[in-house]
Amino acid sequence: DQQVKQNSPSLSVQEGRISILNCDYTNSMFDYFLWYKKYPAEGPTFLISISSIKDKNEDGRFTVFLNKSAKHLSLHIVPSQPGDSAVYFCAASNSGGSNYKLTFGKGTLLTVNP
Amino acid sequence: DAGVIQSPRHEVTEMGQEVTLRCKPISGHNSLFWYRQTMMRGLELLIYFNNNVPIDDSGMPEDRFSAKMPNASFSTLKIQPSEPRDSAVYFCASSLRTALKETQYFGPGTRLLVL
Repeated sequence: DQQVKQNSPSLSVQEGRISILNCDYTNSMFDYFLWYKKYPAEGPTFLISISSIKDKNEDGRFTVFLNKSAKHLSLHIVPSQPGDSAVYFCAASNSGGSNYKLTFGKGTLLTVNP
Repeated sequence: DAGVIQSPRHEVTEMGQEVTLRCKPISGHNSLFWYRQTMMRGLELLIYFNNNVPIDDSGMPEDRFSAKMPNASFSTLKIQPSEPRDSAVYFCASSLRTALKETQYFGPGTRLLVL
């Protein structure tokens, strides 16, 4: 049973445009969410996070939106750059329980075309 | 900082052989995680250590898998005997625990192929 789902295995966008990566979760106990980026032959690297007390968190070109009622979050990258091409993983945790345990989605491969 | 170091980066072995994967966490980090990534199941947590003590090994697939952390700067994940279905990328990650944020820093992974 997948508790964190990234339904789009891949996404292709043009340089300078917006990239929107989506993530859905089923466990209502999740209250902390993270996005990781992964380049080939490297480990995932932390990108941005959001607590359930917020509905938006912004860091430069990256913004994460959280819709708790829909159990949905999204990562917006504006403007997209070729260097953003990577696999993006959504992850979730329950800070009140086993807060070390991150449940990951299967990832979305983003390709930004020059 | 060198980041999380894993060795070997690639391992090819035959079914039935013992495989040992190694990890050196970031200095000062007190939490260590072993993950496995496969196409079918994505990234799964296998085991979690805090202050060198295994806290949660519920993700370890079966008794063929074992993990140790003899000190704060070294951990191993062992598969004995290995099977073709163990083929995957194995990641080690470490973190410095805080009250809420749990940013985990991943190593480059070990790509294991069991023939």
